[in-house]
Amino acid sequence: NAGVTQTPKFQVLKTGQSMTLQCAQDMNHNSMYWYRQDPGMGLRLIYYSASEGTTDKGEVPNGYNVSRLNKREFSLRLESAAPSQTSVYFCASRAPAQSSYEQYFGPGTRLTVT
Amino acid sequence: QKEVEQNSGPLSVPEGAIASLNCTYSDRGSQSFFWYRQYSGKSPELIMSIYSNGDKEDGRFTAQLNKASQYVSLLIRDSQPSDSATYLCAARWLRWGGNQFYFGTGTSLTVIP
Repeated sequence: NAGVTQTPKFQVLKTGQSMTLQCAQDMNHNSMYWYRQDPGMGLRLIYYSASEGTTDKGEVPNGYNVSRLNKREFSLRLESAAPSQTSVYFCASRAPAQSSYEQYFGPGTRLTVT
Repeated sequence: QKEVEQNSGPLSVPEGAIASLNCTYSDRGSQSFFWYRQYSGKSPELIMSIYSNGDKEDGRFTAQLNKASQYVSLLIRDSQPSDSATYLCAARWLRWGGNQFYFGTGTSLTVIP
């Protein structure tokens, strides 16, 4: 039972390159989230998916796209990376209401865009 | 205005003391609140959740919620050096697409042996 896994752990991109961050959970949760964390800014929601087949924008969606491939997997894509997207990215899955809406976070992807 | 605000600290307390962490939120529609602990270079891990006014205790941790004042706090009793971390406050809102969470910027706590 791995919980939430993310790949890759580290990535360096050049401006304009694209990449996809992968996230998978084995807790059978319906809802999944992508956050970015920057110094002094806290965690900010990029996109979320309340259930398989649905996605919605969060607080900072510009420059990103997401795909909820199936119930387990939720990927985040940067089509044309910019230095402002240098950040630590966390994926989370959320327990149902009966479990108080707790979120479980993956280990994070540390992305640097030069 | 930020949805969830925390004093960034740093907060230092001696070992064995009570650490008090505070958080305010802007939207009265917030439905539940969470405290996460984050060690440097690691991902956040949940400590406690609270959704009713009053106190909720779990071991050395007590969460307090005052919806009238839009205020959430976390007390850590008998603080240990292993409690040294950044503590994140989060609030849950039900939006059109589902449940969204807003996080504060975190309070850095150091427990001095």
